[in-house]
Amino acid sequence: DAGITQSPRYKITETGRQVTLMCHQTWSHSYMFWYRQDLGHGLRLIYYSAAADITDKGEVPDGYVVSRSKTENFPLTLESATRSQTSVYFCASSELAGGLGTQYFGPGTRLTVL
Amino acid sequence: AQKVTQAQTEISVVEKEDVTLDCVYETRDTTYYLFWYKQPPSGELVFLIRRNSFDEQNEISGRYSWNFQKSTSSFNFTITASQVVDSAVYFCALSDPAYNTDKLIFGTGTRLQVFP
Repeated sequence: DAGITQSPRYKITETGRQVTLMCHQTWSHSYMFWYRQDLGHGLRLIYYSAAADITDKGEVPDGYVVSRSKTENFPLTLESATRSQTSVYFCASSELAGGLGTQYFGPGTRLTVL
Repeated sequence: AQKVTQAQTEISVVEKEDVTLDCVYETRDTTYYLFWYKQPPSGELVFLIRRNSFDEQNEISGRYSWNFQKSTSSFNFTITASQVVDSAVYFCALSDPAYNTDKLIFGTGTRLQVFP
């Protein structure tokens, strides 16, 4: 099906482990984003990418790594998970940037770090 | 600095009541974009509307309407004759191309509960 998908949908891990969250979109959108959603904070941008091999930090990038070797994929890696990274993670994509395009979101990944 | 404020943390109404969700934003530019998203209990984020700063006409889509007022930096969302299916968290968001090109700044959301 066309759209934007995330995997896994749920993940439980332990402090110190490396975790990778996957994001895949079938629209060939140039822009992709990773947000985290925490109670009282709304959604905060972690990283974003304007095209393959172009990434940039958002509001809360510490502890996260991204890559984008293909337009359709934008994985997010927690190099050494901490409890403060327990959150719901959303991936989004848009054809255009700067508000000219609309960001469409994936279903989210609920991550728990024990 | 850019900021979006949704002062109403939670609103409860009974079905068929009208309800307005407030959104106040701060930006230093004249060109910007405003969005509303809906997050139902299932968790996904659903796009509702995008509005640019040069279009101050109010918009109506079925039971949904949006009131954009640049003079008060507000972009309020009204649901007419609310239904139980409207129960969700609603987020207002701002994009300011001159300040941070590709990003959306979200408010903290308003949880709407519609009771039968």
